[in-house]
Amino acid sequence: ETGVTQSPTHLIKTRGQQVTLRCSSQSGHNTVSWYQQALGQGPQFIFQYYREEENGRGNFPPRFSGLQFPNYSSELNVNALELDDSALYLCASSLEHGNIQYFGAGTRLSVL
Amino acid sequence: GESVGLHLPTLSVQEGDNSIINCAYSNSASDYFIWYKQESGKGPQFIIDIRSNMDKRQGQRVTVLLNKTVKHLSLQIAATQPGDSAVYFCAENIGTGANNLFFGTGTRLTVIP
Repeated sequence: ETGVTQSPTHLIKTRGQQVTLRCSSQSGHNTVSWYQQALGQGPQFIFQYYREEENGRGNFPPRFSGLQFPNYSSELNVNALELDDSALYLCASSLEHGNIQYFGAGTRLSVL
Repeated sequence: GESVGLHLPTLSVQEGDNSIINCAYSNSASDYFIWYKQESGKGPQFIIDIRSNMDKRQGQRVTVLLNKTVKHLSLQIAATQPGDSAVYFCAENIGTGANNLFFGTGTRLTVIP
């Protein structure tokens, strides 16, 4: 176990709705990264938070947003859900950016 | 039938044999590489990493080789066990400072008992 926990484990939403996914980082880790993993593909980087500030973003539209809290836990928010947003969303934490990222088990989001 | 996107490269090995999983990375500026193992229903699990100033690094039963000339990475697993069956991803950090990892497509390793 990596000590990175994500909730919920599964979620079903309909197109146009909004969703919030949560991640608790491993104890002592101040950096959280979010990834989207479509079925049969490798994870794609969404963004990273370091000490409560966004520290890099991948090729995702602004309707993907995030937060990091003082305890370094994090949220991923997705507005105006589209069918293609159906995927496994992974959170990874690391001790300072530039170090090994440890992943949670992910949240499986299905958009109908 | 199969869905688009499920055509992962596959490797089948007999239990006890050595496995070699290959990966071609995309960016010559990448300075850090990681191998992850992902079992069904789980998140990627760290296996081993290597920085670009090294050619080889060994862990427990695993070795990573880096050839920067041809932008190639390999993961060698010694004495492969049924528990090694999973999808293996190589990931590169393109050194933008944000530590965003770029993952390859993955290779599905199946160990035959």
